[in-house]
Amino acid sequence: QVTLRESGPALVKPTQTLTLTCTFSGFSLTTSGMCVNWIRQPPGKALEWLARIDWDDDKYYSTSLKTRLTISKDTSKNQVVLTMTNMDPVDTATYYCARITHPQSSGFDYWGQGTLVTVSS
Amino acid sequence: DIQMTQSPSSLSASAGDRVTITCRASQSISRYLNWYQQKPGKAPKLLIYAASSLQSGVPSRFSGSGSGTDFTLTISSLQPEDFATYYCQQSYSAPPTFGQGTKVEI
Repeated sequence: QVTLRESGPALVKPTQTLTLTCTFSGFSLTTSGMCVNWIRQPPGKALEWLARIDWDDDKYYSTSLKTRLTISKDTSKNQVVLTMTNMDPVDTATYYCARITHPQSSGFDYWGQGTLVTVSS
Repeated sequence: DIQMTQSPSSLSASAGDRVTITCRASQSISRYLNWYQQKPGKAPKLLIYAASSLQSGVPSRFSGSGSGTDFTLTISSLQPEDFATYYCQQSYSAPPTFGQGTKVEI
């Protein structure tokens, strides 16, 4: 079965760099159409898409955050890594990774459980 | 970026009610519109993809319709487990964007 799991620090200080890892199973990121995304949700607020990496290594980023984000994959480990630089308290959120099987015609069909990241000194 | 606007932001309903949530896109997105349900402390769950296709395992009381800029999620007979927040999301073009959510309360 398909599973995704986020891992990373629960607490980061302002100006630090956040590194999150999504470890998945039940599918391959080498399969045509397959993509892994990062999405976040500040407490009590709406979902915000951050980044996506595709089976062919194409990468896409949030317009407002693209200067701070880097996404990469390690297909041998079934992992996708997101880094976000210059963290600020407004970046406090639950961070999810989620899969899509086609960039346009499918929704995010499997999600990790999310990891809460708090930015505070 | 394509802006997604949901209405209402919240609604109160009773079990057995028919509930309709609307989502409007800032430009035409064809039928590339998805709906999610989120309960407190949980990850969102995909309900509807491509405007009207029911995700596997989702009860048939959920349905979606629309194309272009205007879309609707309908719950035909609200069940106690349906009280949650619902989000629309466009997948027409990157970056994908979400609506602000509609909270369905008792």
